[in-house]
Amino acid sequence: DQQVKQNSPSLSVQEGRISILNCDYTNSMFDYFLWYKKYPAEGPTFLISISSIKDKNEDGRFTVFLNKSAKHLSLHIVPSQPGDSAVYFCAALNSGGSNYKLTFGKGTLLTVNP
Amino acid sequence: DTGVSQNPRHKITKRGQNVTFRCDPISEHNRLYWYRQTLGQGPEFLTYFQNEAQLEKSRLLSDRFSAERPKGSFSTLEIQRTEQGDSAMYLCASSFGTGGYTFGSGTRLTVV
Repeated sequence: DQQVKQNSPSLSVQEGRISILNCDYTNSMFDYFLWYKKYPAEGPTFLISISSIKDKNEDGRFTVFLNKSAKHLSLHIVPSQPGDSAVYFCAALNSGGSNYKLTFGKGTLLTVNP
Repeated sequence: DTGVSQNPRHKITKRGQNVTFRCDPISEHNRLYWYRQTLGQGPEFLTYFQNEAQLEKSRLLSDRFSAERPKGSFSTLEIQRTEQGDSAMYLCASSFGTGGYTFGSGTRLTVV
């Protein structure tokens, strides 16, 4: 039962163009969403997050959009750089819960070509 | 702040052996989490400590798995009688209160 879904296992874009990574969720109790970036042999590193009371959050080249009614969020990276090549995980949590455990998607491998 | 430290980085063990991993969280963080990541999957929650109390365990954590966090500082995750299906990356993360997680680099376990 995959509560957080990233349906694209991989994405390839040209340097300088926009990368759009998508994520869908099924659990209505999720109210806080995070994106993590992971290089091989390293742990995930936090990129950007969004609360369910917002529909957009921006941090430099990274913007996350949330569509609550569709239970869908996306991460936009503009402009994409070769150093952005990594696996990107979408994660969600119920901030009203007591444990703040994250539920992750399977990840999307982003390749940015020079 | 040296981040979350995990040791060892890699462990190869024979099926049936016991293994123990260590996690040193960021010193002021009171919450500590263990996750497991297998190939092609995202990290999956295993267990959670607030200070020294283990407050939740996933059903993924079979009887062969045990985790401790004595004195609310470092944590250990032990797997007894390892099986090939235990091969995975074991990730530790810590946070303070409701703040963001910081993950360690993980311990990659290979059971042969």
